[in-house]
Amino acid sequence: EVQLVQSGAEMKKPGESLKISCKVSGYSFATYWIGWVRQMPGKGLEWMGIIYPGDSDTRYSPSFQGQVTISADKSINTAYLQWSSLKASDTAMYYCARHPRYSSGYRYFDYWGQGTLVTVSS
Amino acid sequence: EIVLTQSPGTLSLSPGERATLSCRASQSVSSSYLAWYQQKPGQTPRLLIYGASSRATGIPDRFSGSGSGTDFTLTISRLEPEDFAVYYCQQYDSSPPLYSFGQGTTLEIK
Repeated sequence: EVQLVQSGAEMKKPGESLKISCKVSGYSFATYWIGWVRQMPGKGLEWMGIIYPGDSDTRYSPSFQGQVTISADKSINTAYLQWSSLKASDTAMYYCARHPRYSSGYRYFDYWGQGTLVTVSS
Repeated sequence: EIVLTQSPGTLSLSPGERATLSCRASQSVSSSYLAWYQQKPGQTPRLLIYGASSRATGIPDRFSGSGSGTDFTLTISRLEPEDFAVYYCQQYDSSPPLYSFGQGTTLEIK
């Protein structure tokens, strides 16, 4: 069974750093992309970036380039999303989601993590 | 950057009725790169349709997708109570490599 299990909710202060995780099981981690999607309170879905754990090829949305870092550790089947200096506007739910290999010809996110709620407040 | 515009913003229908949701792209999108998701309150998004018209695993056949170029449609043939949710379309643009979502259509019980 494919599962993406994200780390728990976080409460942080502006300026603090944070790294949230997405641990996968049930499939070969290195051979599927993992994307990150933001959902601000009461709002829609925003694509942040995507990583191919096999070679760490990473692409970012221009809106998030330089604001976050996406990484992956193949040895423990885990992808990460991190901030070096949080802002109140980073308050949102963050989802990781699996994406098939580009060679499939399709582009979609088929399995999603349960989400990590990040709250940034002084 | 390709922008997806979904309409209507809110659709009020009764169980048993047919729902037609629209997703319009600002530039042509490959059909292979168009997907639809359902999200219920407090839940994770769920893939419904990929490749514009292929149903994801386990999705009932009352859900269907169609369209090409800049105009895509998600149709729910006969609404069940569990179908009332927010629906998003998503596209991929290869140059530069970018994904984007529409702003969503809320399907509510009339």
